[in-house]
Amino acid sequence: SQKIEQNSEALNIQEGKTATLTCNYTNYSPAYLQWYRQDPGRGPVFLLLIRENEKEKRKERLKVTFDTTLKQSLFHITASQPADSATYLCAPEGEINAGNMLTFGGGTRLMVKP
Amino acid sequence: KAGVTQTPRYLIKTRGQQVTLSCSPISGHRSVSWYQQTPGQGLQFLFEYFSETQRNKGNFPGRFSGRQFSNSRSEMNVSTLELGDSALYLCASSLPPGELFFGEGSRLTVL
Repeated sequence: SQKIEQNSEALNIQEGKTATLTCNYTNYSPAYLQWYRQDPGRGPVFLLLIRENEKEKRKERLKVTFDTTLKQSLFHITASQPADSATYLCAPEGEINAGNMLTFGGGTRLMVKP
Repeated sequence: KAGVTQTPRYLIKTRGQQVTLSCSPISGHRSVSWYQQTPGQGLQFLFEYFSETQRNKGNFPGRFSGRQFSNSRSEMNVSTLELGDSALYLCASSLPPGELFFGEGSRLTVL
């Protein structure tokens, strides 16, 4: 069955360092992958979408890579700040026009310490 | 531009009761999807509506149902509530498909 794995343990890093979060998937071949941020008690907020033919995508301090051979996406936050502390969710999906039936990973909690 | 609005934000019900949750999507968005979030199962897809038609459905029992109105507003209903239905219910709208805009959610507690 399809499986999405994100590190369930919290990632603790020092302010100013680069945070790297991992999303691994098995048993399917997504055409694109999305990353969301979720703060406690609030709905997820869309961050980035990367297609299978895009190896890397950037937005301000954020960078996402998508390796379809390794079946893995890496999410990087450079020059991290305490305000980046949140849970980050990945959602690899099959077809961008197949509707909004996203399957999310369990999320990784990031804690950035000042 | 107003975001996705969900009501009520919090509610408490007892086992066996039924509940209706409401979602108003961002103006112009025709796709509305619903998700259930629990600590144990994470964020799980319930169903999606587009132009008043259910387009996709997740793996939930028939006690979970929904509908969409002509103005794109959507409701979901859970009948015969069970303790395990306690969760954060999130609604998301989109235009175009791919990027979801989530509401703040409705926190349901079943006693």
